[in-house]
Amino acid sequence: DAGVIQSPRHEVTEMGQEVTLRCKPISGHNSLFWYRQTMMRGLELLIYFNNNVPIDDSGMPEDRFSAKMPNASFSTLKIQPSEPRDSAVYFCASSLQGSGRASEQFFGPGTRLTVL
Amino acid sequence: QQPVQSPQAVILREGEDAVINCSSSKALYSVHWYRQKHGEAPVFLMILLKGGEQKGHEKISASFNEKKQQSSLYLTASQLSYSGTYFCGTEADMLTFGGGTRLMVKP
Repeated sequence: DAGVIQSPRHEVTEMGQEVTLRCKPISGHNSLFWYRQTMMRGLELLIYFNNNVPIDDSGMPEDRFSAKMPNASFSTLKIQPSEPRDSAVYFCASSLQGSGRASEQFFGPGTRLTVL
Repeated sequence: QQPVQSPQAVILREGEDAVINCSSSKALYSVHWYRQKHGEAPVFLMILLKGGEQKGHEKISASFNEKKQQSSLYLTASQLSYSGTYFCGTEADMLTFGGGTRLMVKP
């Protein structure tokens, strides 16, 4: 089992550039989560999809952030334009949820984003 | 609202015990515990459902007091491999993670 796959693993970009992070969830999982982790703010949920539909995006910082899940095996998180304060580790996680309750989440290895 | 974890950090000698606490201001359906080693992704440890259950994972166990909206993680006879940051996730309407407790086990 390949687990959750994220790419790239590291991204260094300059302020103002567009950044796209990619995630492939575990096959058969119906829920996908994007998290941002920093020392100051900890692990923050950005957006949550269930069956490819965005359920809660209240954690998305601002309009510069957008996320899509065009199918069950792929999701993207885009930042346009990027700013230095977006520097963080971005995790994608997936789970198999039933009855609307939370279940074990499997995290990908993360993308370390540095915006100069 | 984010659950509150305590302590924020703890240092142990190998073989010592530790308790990590997690509390929420909301009525909870479940509490989840994860461990994250430095430079790695969080890894699931266990879920506790309302009903006051207690679970164990090797020498790591946890309890959930739904009346107090509190959970505690117990690490018994700690090993070097227990070092890392422990997160509780509380489920009310959504799963929300606490700020983490950094645990360091020294030889």
